[in-house]
Amino acid sequence: AQKITQTQPGMFVQEKEAVTLDCTYDTSDPSYGLFWYKQPSSGEMIFLIYQGSYDQQNATEGRYSLNFQKARKSANLVISASQLGDSAMYFCAMSSSNNAGNMLTFGGGTRLMVKP
Amino acid sequence: NAGVTQTPKFRILKIGQSMTLQCTQDMNHNYMYWYRQDPGMGLKLIYYSVGAGITDKGEVPNGYNVSRSTTEDFPLRLELAAPSQTSVYFCASSYSPRINTEAFFGQGTRLTVV
Repeated sequence: AQKITQTQPGMFVQEKEAVTLDCTYDTSDPSYGLFWYKQPSSGEMIFLIYQGSYDQQNATEGRYSLNFQKARKSANLVISASQLGDSAMYFCAMSSSNNAGNMLTFGGGTRLMVKP
Repeated sequence: NAGVTQTPKFRILKIGQSMTLQCTQDMNHNYMYWYRQDPGMGLKLIYYSVGAGITDKGEVPNGYNVSRSTTEDFPLRLELAAPSQTSVYFCASSYSPRINTEAFFGQGTRLTVV
């Protein structure tokens, strides 16, 4: 069974500063993917970034980067230069090599609040 | 670009009532999913489908049914609503089962059972 753990229920960050959101995972699958989604107060799920278990380099997408440490089973999201619009819930999720579909296992989320 | 469309956006049901949450996608994706998100929690998989006519249970299927008669539509049926089914329901789709495939989510349906 897969499990995603996000240990920070809520975090504050000052505008323009960087912030790291923690995610640890547990799986017995040799091949897996890790996703981060943003959920603003409006409720939709917005895809941010993806990291594959065999990817050699950490993923980056604009101000988002993923600090992937495979041996520690962690996939932390780093947001650089925080903006007020970054205030939202953030979910870490995992997919596994399963031909029955790319089903996701989600963590409990971290609520990020950006202070002006 | 419609993507994944869910209706209704909000609904209040009385205990024991039934309803169908509609989900349709216009991206010709074979893979579709239903998740529920309880307050303050992450999403959990209810049912999924790998193509028209094929559905299977996810982590929390009890109290729900699904069908997939077309590639586009994947409705979720609640037969006897219970307060424990108060949640936000998300439909999602993807074009591939590969682990690196992004799932596209609908806007969600907020359901309250009273």
